[in-house]
Amino acid sequence: GQQVMQIPQYQHVQEGEDFTTYCNSSTTLSNIQWYKQRPGGHPVFLIQLVKSGEVKKQKRLTFQFGEAKKNSSLHITATQTTDVGTYFCAVNSGGSNYKLTFGKGTLLTVNP
Amino acid sequence: EADIYQTPRYLVIGTGKKITLECSQTMGHDKMYWYQQDPGMELHLIHYSYGVNSTEKGDLSSESTVSRIRTEHFPLTLESARPSHTSQYLCASSEFGGGSDTQYFGPGTRLTVL
Repeated sequence: GQQVMQIPQYQHVQEGEDFTTYCNSSTTLSNIQWYKQRPGGHPVFLIQLVKSGEVKKQKRLTFQFGEAKKNSSLHITATQTTDVGTYFCAVNSGGSNYKLTFGKGTLLTVNP
Repeated sequence: EADIYQTPRYLVIGTGKKITLECSQTMGHDKMYWYQQDPGMELHLIHYSYGVNSTEKGDLSSESTVSRIRTEHFPLTLESARPSHTSQYLCASSEFGGGSDTQYFGPGTRLTVL
């Protein structure tokens, strides 16, 4: 099935610093989703990217889909303690539109 | 916030016991999923269903079984629990439709097998 490499595995920042996590695939993706999981919580959908080169913003979060649709990034500007959690990318797997394969996630911790 | 529920939230049980983890959603979604996740680790799909009477095994082999007799209900059963089954189990659902569908997750069941 489809696989994605997500880096870094961990990122610790000072509050106010920026943060970026990346997802990379060896094959062209039809789309990519991003989820956030707070410590002790469950994954919550953030956004879906579909178009080549697409850029979407949600307040301090900026999501990008690469031109070749093989990579994606999530960038957080001026992190806050509320941004703490694990950020997962997810892509369709096994040729199905309904199954998702999740990246291993990036755990973000923020020092106040 | 999505309407998907899991019970129990926490379960501590002895080896060899039979357990059923409940998952229900009130959104009328056709597709439902079970994931297994160890603390701080990635999500592994263990079962999914496209609709009533449809169940499929996921990417990670699991000794658990599932059933889908009603649209809203997707229970997971372990016939004989073992310590290796200790993990968090997350249920999710999504709508039937074209393209990728957003998955809505329940709060999870944290299972500990002694």
